[in-house]
Amino acid sequence: EVQLVESGGGLVQPGGSLRLSCAASGFTFSSYDMHWVRQATGKGLEWVSAIGTAGDTYYPGSVKGRFTISRENAKNSLYLQMNSLRAGDTAVYYCARAGDPLGAFDIWGQGTMVTVSS
Amino acid sequence: DIQMTQSPSSLSASVGDRVTITCRASQSISSYLNWYQQKPGKAPKLLIYAASSLQSGVPSRFSGSGSGTDFTLTISSLQPEDFATYYCQQSYSTALTPITFGQGTRLEIK
Repeated sequence: EVQLVESGGGLVQPGGSLRLSCAASGFTFSSYDMHWVRQATGKGLEWVSAIGTAGDTYYPGSVKGRFTISRENAKNSLYLQMNSLRAGDTAVYYCARAGDPLGAFDIWGQGTMVTVSS
Repeated sequence: DIQMTQSPSSLSASVGDRVTITCRASQSISSYLNWYQQKPGKAPKLLIYAASSLQSGVPSRFSGSGSGTDFTLTISSLQPEDFATYYCQQSYSTALTPITFGQGTRLEIK
């Protein structure tokens, strides 16, 4: 079964750090671009980061310089290192696979909750 | 950044109705437009990719059209399980233009 499972969420103080993980199974992980998307409670979807098959990385301005996406193909794993966290980073974080040549996210994980609060 | 504007933001409809949701991009995105369905507490689910291609396993009552800046998602005959929130997304991204989503359209039972 093709699956993505996130872990690593939790409660962290403002200014703190957290590392999210996403375990992939059921497909050739190294062959796909991967993304992180977040959703604050009651709000819409916000793209957070992407990593290509060659390790190239992309970020929106809201997290650039604070978040780092990485992948470990040998472990079929995707990561998101989040530093200098703010209250506005509080959200459910999803990992997603870009399964289509035009970049659609065809497989999503169940999400992991990150709460930034003192 | 490319802004994606969906309309309406919310919609009330009945089982059996035909429903159309529109999405407008602030600049041309060719066919790099995808539609997702999200139910409460669940991850989004891909419905339509590349503006008009039906994702495997998605019922044929869902269809998408458009190119450039204007796109539509149509549900031909609403079923009870279709009441959810729908998002469009542009994947016409480069290192300078991030991926963006529309604000969502909440489809409710009338």
